[in-house]
Parts: sequence; structure tokens; C-alpha cells
Amino acid sequence: DVKVTQSSRYLVKRTGEKVFLECVQDMDHENMFWYRQDPGLGLRLIYFSYDVKMKEKGDIPEGYSVSREKKERFSLILESASTNQTSMYLCASSSLTSGRAAYEQYFGPGTRLTVT
Amino acid sequence: DQQVKQNSPSLSVQEGRISILNCDYTNSMFDYFLWYKKYPAEGPTFLISISSIKDKNEDGRFTVFLNKSAKHLSLHIVPSQPGDSAVYFCAAQRGSTLGRLYFGRGTQLTVWP
Repeated sequence: DVKVTQSSRYLVKRTGEKVFLECVQDMDHENMFWYRQDPGLGLRLIYFSYDVKMKEKGDIPEGYSVSREKKERFSLILESASTNQTSMYLCASSSLTSGRAAYEQYFGPGTRLTVT
Repeated sequence: DQQVKQNSPSLSVQEGRISILNCDYTNSMFDYFLWYKKYPAEGPTFLISISSIKDKNEDGRFTVFLNKSAKHLSLHIVPSQPGDSAVYFCAAQRGSTLGRLYFGRGTQLTVWP
């Protein structure tokens, strides 16, 4: 069973703080993803990574950066948190070498971040 | 520009009846389509998928239909149960994009007794 864990379920930070969200997966997946979910906007891709130290911008990378130093861990960094970054953040992983043709993504439980 | 669209933000269905959730896409290069279900305060979970070379895939109460010429797919849930109440996301995959999925905005399904 694939397990994707996120470091916090709920987080409250102040405007201007640097925020780290951590994600760990235990299935040796190559691909990892960070999304944010907002009402009426669905799941929007922030960044993704297809290998250690590799990263690709998603649809809304502004204000965020990522780090992937180890295969199992993918971090999302808010360099200077702002109130419009209050959201639910979801991490996911998938495998290029899975036996299935569809790259099914496995999601963590999410982190509800509030920036005040 | 959204390549996967779910035009109905919400759907309300009586228990025991059929729920039909719709999804449209614009990119003819998509080769797989997936449906995810999400409960509040949880991550989305995979429900069912379909290859672009098929027009139907069934798994228990869930069936996905694909109409390539119309660039349209639908998820049928029969019979609907109160536990099916959740947000349903349609997603599409293009083989060359490193596993990236393109998600719709979701449809909130409410099944009432």
C-alpha cells in the first residue's frame, strides 16, 4: 500500500514568514507533485519533480519553490508567506515504472495552511 | 487555459438513483483519463480510469464512458449511496509529460436519503 505523508495537517503562519511543507512517500516513486486546492478552483499544480534534484513548474509556481534532495522527500517552500497563500496543500506521488499505463497519483492527507 | 473542464460544480441525487458526472477536455493528445474522489480534510483517492482506446470501463457501481469524437467523458454511479457524497475530480494524462495529470475543478456530489 502506497503511503504519502505530509508533515502537518494544520499550520498557522504569519505574513512574511518562511514556510516549509514536507512530503514523504514510501513507494520509491519517481514523480512527486505539489498542488493547492481552493474552493471553486479545483486542484492547481504548483511544482512537480520527476527525479532527485529535478523540478518543473506547474501552473502557479509564483511565490513558491521546491526541493528534492532525496527520492522519497519533496519539500514545498513559501519564501515569504502571504495571505493569498492560505489554502489546502496536497502532495502526491506516482511512478513511471508502474505496471499500469495510467500514472495514477497517490495523495497525502493535505496540510491546511492559514496565513494571518 | 483549462484543458479539462467540469462544468457542473454540484449535483444532488437521491439514494438509489444514478449519478452522472460529466467532464470535457480540449487536448486530443490525452491518452488516459482518471476519476478521483475527495472527502473533506482528506487527500483525493483514485476511483477508476479509462484508456483513450476504449469507450467504457466498469468497476462495480462505477462506470466511465468516453466519447473521443466529442472529447467528453462521464462517470456513472449506480446505485448512488450517501457515502458517495464527495467532490469528484476528472483528470487527464498525456503520455509524454512525466506523469503530470491535468485536473478539472471538481463536482460536489450530494446523495440524499
